[in-house]
Amino acid sequence: GENVEQHPSTLSVQEGDSAVIKCTYSDSASNYFPWYKQELGKGPQLIIDIRSNVGEKKDQRIAVTLNKTAKHFSLHITETQPEDSAVYFCAASRGPNTDKLIFGTGTRLQVFP
Amino acid sequence: EAGVVQSPRYKIIEKKQPVAFWCNPISGHNTLYWYLQNLGQGPELLIRYENEEAVDDSQLPKDRFSAERLKGVDSTLKIQPAELGDSAVYLCASSSQGNTEAFFGQGTRLTVV
Repeated sequence: GENVEQHPSTLSVQEGDSAVIKCTYSDSASNYFPWYKQELGKGPQLIIDIRSNVGEKKDQRIAVTLNKTAKHFSLHITETQPEDSAVYFCAASRGPNTDKLIFGTGTRLQVFP
Repeated sequence: EAGVVQSPRYKIIEKKQPVAFWCNPISGHNTLYWYLQNLGQGPELLIRYENEEAVDDSQLPKDRFSAERLKGVDSTLKIQPAELGDSAVYLCASSSQGNTEAFFGQGTRLTVV
């Protein structure tokens, strides 16, 4: 079955710097790759996603890149702000309806003012 | 529009006791998921419903866990009897047909003592 590895497990950056989180997956049939942000005491919230037919997607300060050949994808946050501090999860799925989302183990991002 | 609503938020029970969690998905969402999230880990799928049908329950420990989604709307997840290792956050999520995004509730934090 699918296995998603995520690193680093913790990441500390200064406000205004960039943060990069990387994930690798094992199932070449996976075609949907979302990223979730989870704040303390809350459920995960989708922040950006990408499908296998594109290599990059950007939404304001957040971008995701996908390399299907190498089976890895990354989350890039630019101009980080203290409110970006949270745990970020990558995930991978085969189906169009997130029928089998396999999550990574999470990255705790801390942005220091 | 209300998001996914779960109750209770917190539950503390003694081992061997039964416990139930309730989820009300976003109105109109026919797909409902129950995920288990252990401390410091990503969510893991327990069961997925399409309307009232459980289409993927391969990860549900059926000896002690059960779930139902009568009328294809609200859902309950039950554990009987609970074990110490069941302590975790139980997340419910929903999505609409054909839509890839899964919206998560805040979760129920279960502590078994």
